[in-house]
Amino acid sequence: NAGVTQTPKFRVLKTGQSMTLLCAQDMNHEYMYWYRQDPGMGLRLIHYSVGEGTTAKGEVPDGYNVSRLKKQNFLLGLESAAPSQTSVYFCASSLSGTGYEQYFGPGTRLTVT
Amino acid sequence: RKEVEQDPGPFNVPEGATVAFNCTYSNSASQSFFWYRQDCRKEPKLLMSVYSSGNEDGRFTAQLNRASQYISLLIRDSKLSDSATYLCVVIGSSGNTPLVFGKGTRLSVIA
Repeated sequence: NAGVTQTPKFRVLKTGQSMTLLCAQDMNHEYMYWYRQDPGMGLRLIHYSVGEGTTAKGEVPDGYNVSRLKKQNFLLGLESAAPSQTSVYFCASSLSGTGYEQYFGPGTRLTVT
Repeated sequence: RKEVEQDPGPFNVPEGATVAFNCTYSNSASQSFFWYRQDCRKEPKLLMSVYSSGNEDGRFTAQLNRASQYISLLIRDSKLSDSATYLCVVIGSSGNTPLVFGKGTRLSVIA
């Protein structure tokens, strides 16, 4: 099992550009999450999904959109990147809800100039 | 009061020392608590869940104090490999935060 994978691992964008981050899991997990991690801020939840075809807003959803068309994939989109979106983005999945262990991907380091 | 608060550290301890971290939480209705470990520039990984009666896994002991709303992590006989950031995690108090991560406590074990 590959677990949770993320592509790309690194990316540099110019302000105003768009991109999509891909997260894939092969554990048949229902729940998937996108977090961002900034120095001194800890992990903050952007969006999450409780199953295929569903999405919900987290703590910091502005400037991001997500889609979960297939159970194993969770996409995070930035429509018009801003320097404030420079961060490390982690995807995670869990078998079910909040009482279950979350498995994280290796992260995507995004810089917006 | 922030949902989850941790002392950021760093805690610098010699090998073999015992070190303890505390984490306070604001949601008195929280039912699930965890400690995650995050190595530098890596993803977080589950270290252990925290049960009401307390639980132990080798050199690691986790305790829950519901009355005072804090959880603790005790590491005995510290190893160099224990150097990492330890994240406290509890169920969030609102619908859009399934789990809330603390900012982490950094531990450096020194030879």
